[in-house]
Amino acid sequence: QVQIVQSGAEVKKPGASVKISCKASGYSFSNFAIHWVRQAPGQRLEWMGGIYVGNGNTRYSEKFQGRLIINRDTPATTAYMDLSSLTSEDTAVYFCARAVRAFDETNPASDYWGQGTLLTVSS
Amino acid sequence: EIVLTQSPGTLSLSPGDRATLSCRASQSVASTSLAWYQQKPGQAPRLLIYGASTRATGIPDRFSGSGSGTDFILTISKLEPEDFAVYYCQHYGSSVVFGQGTKLEIK
Repeated sequence: QVQIVQSGAEVKKPGASVKISCKASGYSFSNFAIHWVRQAPGQRLEWMGGIYVGNGNTRYSEKFQGRLIINRDTPATTAYMDLSSLTSEDTAVYFCARAVRAFDETNPASDYWGQGTLLTVSS
Repeated sequence: EIVLTQSPGTLSLSPGDRATLSCRASQSVASTSLAWYQQKPGQAPRLLIYGASTRATGIPDRFSGSGSGTDFILTISKLEPEDFAVYYCQHYGSSVVFGQGTKLEIK
């Protein structure tokens, strides 16, 4: 069965960086994209970016261009999100999710989600 | 950037009722690019519908999606107790955006 397991909660100071991992299992990792979505407390979902695992092509929301890097380790079936220059506004739950359609680089509709990783940015 | 506006903000209904949730786009979008999610407190979102009307695997057939252009609808034909949650629509095109959500609460 498909499982997506994320790394644990993080506490960071303003200006720091964070790297969150997303371990996938139960399907052909290379055939799907992984997308990252965050949700600040009481707020709507916000798409950050995604990576098509097969060729490593990435797509980022303009909002995060320059401080977000998404990559993957295919043999380890793990994707990573690296967010730098953190501020208190980055305090949120971060989710990774598998795209619903195989071989689709761009469609971020996602059917299997990680449990979420709480990032707290505070001095 | 396309803006998605969901209405109503809160919908109060009883189990067994029919729910109709709206998602309006600020400009016309492809039907293939609209998805709906359900989210319960403390949980990850659950994909219900993608391509405006295709149910995701394992989603009960009481959930249906429709619409085109700027107006999309999620219908829950007969509410079950577990359906009370927040619902989000998502558009994917040159950008990816979510609506602000509709909270479906028990009346």
